[in-house]
Amino acid sequence: GQSLEQPSEVTAVEGAIVQINCTYQTSGFYGLSWYQQHDGGAPTFLSYNALDGLEETGRFSSFLSRSDSYGYLLLQELQMKDSASYFCAVLMDMGRRALTFGSGTRLQVQP
Amino acid sequence: ETGVTQSPTHLIKTRGQQVTLRCSSQSGHNTVSWYQQALGQGPQFIFQYYREEENGRGNFPPRFSGLQFPNYSSELNVNALELDDSALYLCASSLRTRNTGELFFGEGSRLTVL
Repeated sequence: GQSLEQPSEVTAVEGAIVQINCTYQTSGFYGLSWYQQHDGGAPTFLSYNALDGLEETGRFSSFLSRSDSYGYLLLQELQMKDSASYFCAVLMDMGRRALTFGSGTRLQVQP
Repeated sequence: ETGVTQSPTHLIKTRGQQVTLRCSSQSGHNTVSWYQQALGQGPQFIFQYYREEENGRGNFPPRFSGLQFPNYSSELNVNALELDDSALYLCASSLRTRNTGELFFGEGSRLTVL
């Protein structure tokens, strides 16, 4: 079967840096996405890595190592509004464009 | 540019009933996917529609069915509702030509089955 593992909860303080890891075992792999979801809200796209390496978008960066089946999301200069759930998701089938999601990491940012 | 909109936002049904959920995709997007998100879990892929045809299905029984219309809007139908169908149903739109894992989600329809 397919599996994506990520920590269930992470707590950090405002201004800090936090890394959310994701390891995956899937039958196909085209890329790794990250989504943010606030309580009661829609998942919103943060990043997509198809190749090994680091992608930076403002305060957020995402890393992928295909050989290790591993990726992470790095959030810098944490703000209270970053408190949300973060999901990694694998694009397994380019034809279907269906994403397989992990169970999510709940990030709590404290003052 | 309008985003993905879904209706209704909340609804309550009883076991055995049928439900139809609706989705308007983001302007210009030709592909619509539906996901089920149980409380505390990640979204699970139900199926995807492209050019008004089903273009892939996840591990969901045939009582989950859908439609896509010429304007790219979509419906999700669930027959013979079960208690385990209680979840947030998310619609996501995308452009088929973009080779990325970027989907645009609506805020979902929260279904409670009693």
